[in-house]
Amino acid sequence: AQSVTQLGSHVSVSEGALVLLRCNYSSSVPPYLFWYVQYPNQGLQLLLKYTTGATLVKGINGFEAEFKKSETSFHLTKPSAHMSDAAEYFCAVSRSRDTGRRALTFGSGTRLQVQP
Amino acid sequence: DTGVSQNPRHKITKRGQNVTFRCDPISEHNRLYWYRQTLGQGPEFLTYFQNEAQLEKSRLLSDRFSAERPKGSFSTLEIQRTEQGDSAMYLCASSLITSTETQYFGPGTRLLVL
Repeated sequence: AQSVTQLGSHVSVSEGALVLLRCNYSSSVPPYLFWYVQYPNQGLQLLLKYTTGATLVKGINGFEAEFKKSETSFHLTKPSAHMSDAAEYFCAVSRSRDTGRRALTFGSGTRLQVQP
Repeated sequence: DTGVSQNPRHKITKRGQNVTFRCDPISEHNRLYWYRQTLGQGPEFLTYFQNEAQLEKSRLLSDRFSAERPKGSFSTLEIQRTEQGDSAMYLCASSLITSTETQYFGPGTRLLVL
């Protein structure tokens, strides 16, 4: 079984400040981990993913995330927030062990507000 | 690559009516997933297809729901006798079977049942 916990349903930062969105997961097999962003009334856009290899993953729009197995975490960061980063962010996990079903299990999301 | 498309984008219906949504995946993507997202929540898995075969259905998918992917390309999701609890965003995603499969999402169909 897999699950994802996103701490903080709402996060507010000032423009130019560090963005930190927290994600913890549980998985019975080595996970694949994803961050998606959702703008109002739109679908989900992939920001970045961790599958294997380097634990620090860089994504689009200046975001990055670090896979920490010992902490079962995959927190999302960005050094300097822009107004355009305001959106809902979802962390998700899927199985890695085989090529069976790769349905994603999502967290409940974190809404990021960026104050001018 | 035109991305995943979904139609209609919005649907308002009365309780008890049937509705059908369509998803067109990225061409040559052999897996197609349906998810449901309610307000304030993350998407939840409903069902998925590999080519034309429906390989798994979630317990969320009641008997009133049916999905097809007849030629392994586009897919339809039908809800019969809609209920107010069916109001949600229905998301479709497609992927290519690889060792590091990544799902690409469409814009979703927002359903409101009155």
